[in-house]
Amino acid sequence: ETGVTQSPTHLIKTRGQQVTLRCSSQSGHNTVSWYQQALGQGPQFIFQYYREEENGRGNFPPRFSGLQFPNYSSELNVNALELDDSALYLCASSPLHPGPSVRDTQYFGPGTRLTVL
Amino acid sequence: KNQVEQSPQSLIILEGKNCTLQCNYTVSPFSNLRWYKQDTGRGPVSLTIMTFSENTKSNGRYTATLDADTKQSSLHITASQLSDSASYICVVEAYNQGGKLIFGQGTELSVKP
Repeated sequence: ETGVTQSPTHLIKTRGQQVTLRCSSQSGHNTVSWYQQALGQGPQFIFQYYREEENGRGNFPPRFSGLQFPNYSSELNVNALELDDSALYLCASSPLHPGPSVRDTQYFGPGTRLTVL
Repeated sequence: KNQVEQSPQSLIILEGKNCTLQCNYTVSPFSNLRWYKQDTGRGPVSLTIMTFSENTKSNGRYTATLDADTKQSSLHITASQLSDSASYICVVEAYNQGGKLIFGQGTELSVKP
């Protein structure tokens, strides 16, 4: 088991609603990344936060937004939910060190299963 | 187009047998290539991580290889166990893109008694 926790475990929402998912990173890790994993697919990178700032973003619309707090925990917010947003949302923390030759390992949480009806 | 392709999509083997999973990628330049194991309903767990200058990396019964010239990697599992049943995902970290990881679709391995 990693030290990364996510809440809630499961969530059911309807189209058009908004959702907030939470992640607590492993102790000593200052970077959090969020991924969306559709059924039967590999995870897709949403964005990464480092020291409370967005530090890279994948191909997701602006209705996917995030926050990182001073204790390095993080939130993923999704507005105007669509049916295709149904997926497992994974959070991963890592001890990112700025610069080249990064060899950090991302530790994943168990994920939040979101179902949009 | 998917930048990380894995084969086979699924695989069934008998307990105790060996198997090899394949990964082809087009991500360039890249910082490192990783193999993860993901149990159903759980987050991925890192098995190996290799930079472009490394050819092989072992973690117990798991051995990963990397050929940066042909952009291919493999994961070899020796003496498989029932607990090896999981999805194995090849992941490439793009260079200098803020830690962005590009995942393959995974190979679903089932080990039967």
